[in-house]
Amino acid sequence: LAKTTQPISMDSYEGQEVNITCSHNNIATNDYITWYQQFPSQGPRFIIQGYKTKVTNEVASLFIPADRKSSTLSLPRVSLSDTAVYYCLVGDNTGFQKLVFGTGTRLLVSP
Amino acid sequence: DTGVSQDPRHKITKRGQNVTFRCDPISEHNRLYWYRQTLGQGPEFLTYFQNEAQLEKSRLLSDRFSAERPKGSFSTLEIQRTEQGDSAMYLCASSTGGSGGVGEQFFGPGTRLTVL
Repeated sequence: LAKTTQPISMDSYEGQEVNITCSHNNIATNDYITWYQQFPSQGPRFIIQGYKTKVTNEVASLFIPADRKSSTLSLPRVSLSDTAVYYCLVGDNTGFQKLVFGTGTRLLVSP
Repeated sequence: DTGVSQDPRHKITKRGQNVTFRCDPISEHNRLYWYRQTLGQGPEFLTYFQNEAQLEKSRLLSDRFSAERPKGSFSTLEIQRTEQGDSAMYLCASSTGGSGGVGEQFFGPGTRLTVL
């Protein structure tokens, strides 16, 4: 079971870059790292997924070091609407029983 | 709106009653998932279908819970003899399953169950 550890909460201001780090020391060879965002009273929403090195899309970047024991979600120039809970998931596309969302990181963006 | 719909959005029931929830996934998605989420916690995996086949069930899922996906289209989740501990948000998600990882699952708005 690939357990993940994230900060419980983070605070930021509008326009700043936010980096959320996730530890996953026992990640398996077939596992990918996937990040989701969740607003209150809504289902989670996919942000980004990667296996190694760096992945970038229109909303975020994901940095994964060579040992893959951690990963960092980077949100450039956050806005108030980025206030949400962010979940780091580790797994492959089978064996969903081992999928653990945990409590996530509650990001609060202030003006 | 992700394209995944769930019905009802809210359900209040008395302990001991049976309840059934429905999920309509994105039509071309062959994978469908059910999760449960309680306040302050992340979603907890319940079960997963690929087309009409139920391929995984969480060990946490008691025999009071049953899910179906007839013809690989919509899915239903039934809880028999509800208990107060079943009070939660029940989330449905669907995906194409082409990714190597968990991938992009599209979540519905959820059904909030309150057991009195």
